Amino acid sequence: NAGVMQNPRHLVRRRGQEARLRCSPVKGHSHVYWYRQLPEEGLKFMVYLQKENIIDESGMPKERFSAEFPKEGPSILRIQQVVRGDSAAYFCASSPRDTYPNTGELFFGEGSRLTVL
Amino acid sequence: AQTVTQSQPEMSVQEAETVTLSCTYDTSENNYYLFWYKQPPSRQMILVIRQEAYKQQNATENRFSVNFQKAAKSFSLKISDSQLGDTAMYFCAFVNTDKLIFGTGTRLQVFP
Repeated sequence: NAGVMQNPRHLVRRRGQEARLRCSPVKGHSHVYWYRQLPEEGLKFMVYLQKENIIDESGMPKERFSAEFPKEGPSILRIQQVVRGDSAAYFCASSPRDTYPNTGELFFGEGSRLTVL
Repeated sequence: AQTVTQSQPEMSVQEAETVTLSCTYDTSENNYYLFWYKQPPSRQMILVIRQEAYKQQNATENRFSVNFQKAAKSFSLKISDSQLGDTAMYFCAFVNTDKLIFGTGTRLQVFP
């Protein structure tokens, strides 16, 4: 009975490299959300995806960041040419189609902590 | 703009005592949901309690209860009989359509 699985848990990159964060939602969940948590701050919404579609990307930086949720496989958050300010914990959450937003409950992964040197 | 404000960066309480965490929010919507999430040192986000705005009755989950004041846009969390395992960051959150909006959190320390 696996929950939301995120990997890697920790990722270290040098400035200018690419970071790829993966998220496997709860089995059967078709909605995926990505949030970013800077040190000592709350979670900030980045993007909301359904299978093969981006529904809301209003929280995504316009450049260097992209997200996908393909028909098969995990959701991917990709950060190109990382900078030190990208260092944060990135959380993925999922919900089943017919539950959210009526109940509002999201199932969160344990996060991926990105450190940019 | 919809915002969530937690004005207490840190709180502490002795084991077995009661503590209340504050949260206010701003929205022009009438139907929405409010939540408290707990984030222990493991960083897992755990749903503690949920309140539907159209329900006047305050939600309760075991030792956790809320004081929901819709007119004042206030949503505080009361933890009774605090336990050491309650030590964590607590985030208030709001949703009315699709995405959760979080406050900045309150760090709660429970002392023996």
